Amino acid sequence: GAGVSQSPSNKVTEKGKDVELRCDPISGHTALYWYRQSLGQGLEFLIYFQGNSAPDKSGLPSDRFSAERTGGSVSTLTIQRTQQEDSAVYLCASSRDRDREYEQYFGPGTRLTVT
Amino acid sequence: AQSVTQPDIHITVSEGASLELRCNYSYGATPYLFWYVQSPGQGLQLLLKYFSGDTLVQGIKGFEAEFKRSQSSFNLRKPSVHWSDAAEYFCAVVAPNAGGTSYGKLTFGQGTILTVHP
Repeated sequence: GAGVSQSPSNKVTEKGKDVELRCDPISGHTALYWYRQSLGQGLEFLIYFQGNSAPDKSGLPSDRFSAERTGGSVSTLTIQRTQQEDSAVYLCASSRDRDREYEQYFGPGTRLTVT
Repeated sequence: AQSVTQPDIHITVSEGASLELRCNYSYGATPYLFWYVQSPGQGLQLLLKYFSGDTLVQGIKGFEAEFKRSQSSFNLRKPSVHWSDAAEYFCAVVAPNAGGTSYGKLTFGQGTILTVHP
């Protein structure tokens, strides 16, 4: 079946602009995660969704970052007033249900470049 | 501090040679343990996982890993490397439940880049 998809695959934006990154999880997967992969920081957790609620937002680096999930499916990560340090690959992952939340399937990522 | 360490940033092996990638963790209790692989421009693919039980776990693509509690290690091995194994490998953990709701938040090591020579 279809895997996790993310769009766009690449995004170049000017400093100060807002961007939206989209994640389509595997159908039926209730848990959804966002991670960020950057040269300096490696792979970092950003936020976790169970259904439409986000019990753990502890990894969001600043209040410029927000995320939502609707219909227990698609999620959008929004970065406001982008900065150069936001340049990274943003990865989304989903997992099937509470009993198997440890088996995460990752999307290909969105590469964000802030100029 | 709780952490996951992959001591080797870059490893080079010849095709057909054996491979061992190291991973150590520092947690109060044994976490759930994972190895992921990332090929250039691709997302992360789960190779194998350890939750409990048999300390030698088999994964996809001929990989295996051994959990050693006494050494806080979870090293990845492959008996004979293929050129297609060239990629970056990440060890990851899910921290043990501290009494709250457990879920799959992953903490990753820094990654090991594997280069395979023909």
